[in-house]
Amino acid sequence: EPEVTQTPSHQVTQMGQEVILRCVPISNHLYFYWYRQILGQKVEFLVSFYNNEISEKSEIFDDQFSVERPDGSNFTLKIRSTKLEDSAMYFCASSRGSPDTQYFGPGTRLTVL
Amino acid sequence: EDQVTQSPEALRLQEGESSSLNCSYTVSGLRGLFWYRQDPGKGPEFLFTLYSAGEEKEKERLKATLTKKESFLHITAPKPEDSATYLCAVQFGGYNKLIFGAGTRLAVHP
Repeated sequence: EPEVTQTPSHQVTQMGQEVILRCVPISNHLYFYWYRQILGQKVEFLVSFYNNEISEKSEIFDDQFSVERPDGSNFTLKIRSTKLEDSAMYFCASSRGSPDTQYFGPGTRLTVL
Repeated sequence: EDQVTQSPEALRLQEGESSSLNCSYTVSGLRGLFWYRQDPGKGPEFLFTLYSAGEEKEKERLKATLTKKESFLHITAPKPEDSATYLCAVQFGGYNKLIFGAGTRLAVHP
């Protein structure tokens, strides 16, 4: 059964450093998403991506964040200058269409020291 | 204001003791309501999608229903392996994003 994969599973970084989180969505899906979940809190939407451009973003997704689909399989989230409050689980998701079921990856735990 | 509210926050059941989890929503133009299961430190695992009031979906011991204001996840004769956090999310209006509730933490004891 196809699934969304994410790497790394855990990333530790120093405040102010850049991090890139990587995702491989399900192969025939067209919509891609990033969400995050701070420990003990709700899952929060960050950004959606369709047809090689951002289709929607939240207030959290400021100029420090960017997304890219560098080739036909990968989808990345870059945080340019990490802050302590960026520490969270980051989930990638994909769907065939919209509205449609979004399938989530296992997550990357980002720890900013 | 919360657009998706789940209750109860936590639920403890004995094995075999059936119960229901609630998800109420206040958004307009619902396009889909989604139930996920989340184990600690893991990503949300898809369970059900419901698109219109009156719709029902069933899988093993779980059954999801939808009305115009809320959804229920019914758990029949639960087992310890059903212990997890159950998340409800909605997609609405012209948006692609999901809005999640805070979840219900379910513990099933033998």
